[in-house]
Amino acid sequence: DSGVTQTPKHLITATGQRVTLRCSPRSGDLSVYWYQQSLDQGLQFLIQYYNGEERAKGNILERFSAQQFPDLHSELNLSSLELGDSALYFCASSVGQGFTEAFFGQGTRLTVV
Amino acid sequence: GQQLNQSPQSMFIQEGEDVSMNCTSSSIFNTWLWYKQEPGEGPVLLIALYKAGELTSNGRLTAQFGITRKDSFLNISASIPSDVGIYFCAGQGGSGGSNYKLTFGKGTLLTVNP
Repeated sequence: DSGVTQTPKHLITATGQRVTLRCSPRSGDLSVYWYQQSLDQGLQFLIQYYNGEERAKGNILERFSAQQFPDLHSELNLSSLELGDSALYFCASSVGQGFTEAFFGQGTRLTVV
Repeated sequence: GQQLNQSPQSMFIQEGEDVSMNCTSSSIFNTWLWYKQEPGEGPVLLIALYKAGELTSNGRLTAQFGITRKDSFLNISASIPSDVGIYFCAGQGGSGGSNYKLTFGKGTLLTVNP
């Protein structure tokens, strides 16, 4: 158990819908990272927050947004969902801003039908 | 974005055999990391390498940071069934990426026959 909690574990939704994925980082960790894992693209960095502020952005679509709340948990919002958005979404957390010693959650498997 | 070329894509080996996998990049990285992912789980960090030429071991695992900073390899000695999983290399920093994110390889699927 990495100490990073993601909910829900599985999500099935229809195209055009909007979903919210939630991540609780390890106790004491200030950084949260979101990654998307798909069969063809592998693990792709989406976005990072550090202590409530956006720190870095990767290949995140405009239909996707994220935020980190004062209690440091984070949410990833995916809207106008398309079939191609089906993937595993991972959250990772670390104490500092650098990724190296980050720990991954178990992921949320999103299926868009 | 920057891609890491990880090979082989998959390996089928017998228990007790040694395993070797590697990653190459056209750009340099400041840090190389190796992760293992098992079904239903997130990636777990196995080894982190911070200096060109560095050779680091973690039990039966050994990894090296290439001297050119553009490659890394991971060796697993005397494999056991619980070594099954997908192994990912990842690079951070340098001209290949940023300090805030990792660039991952596509993974090596390892199957160990008892």
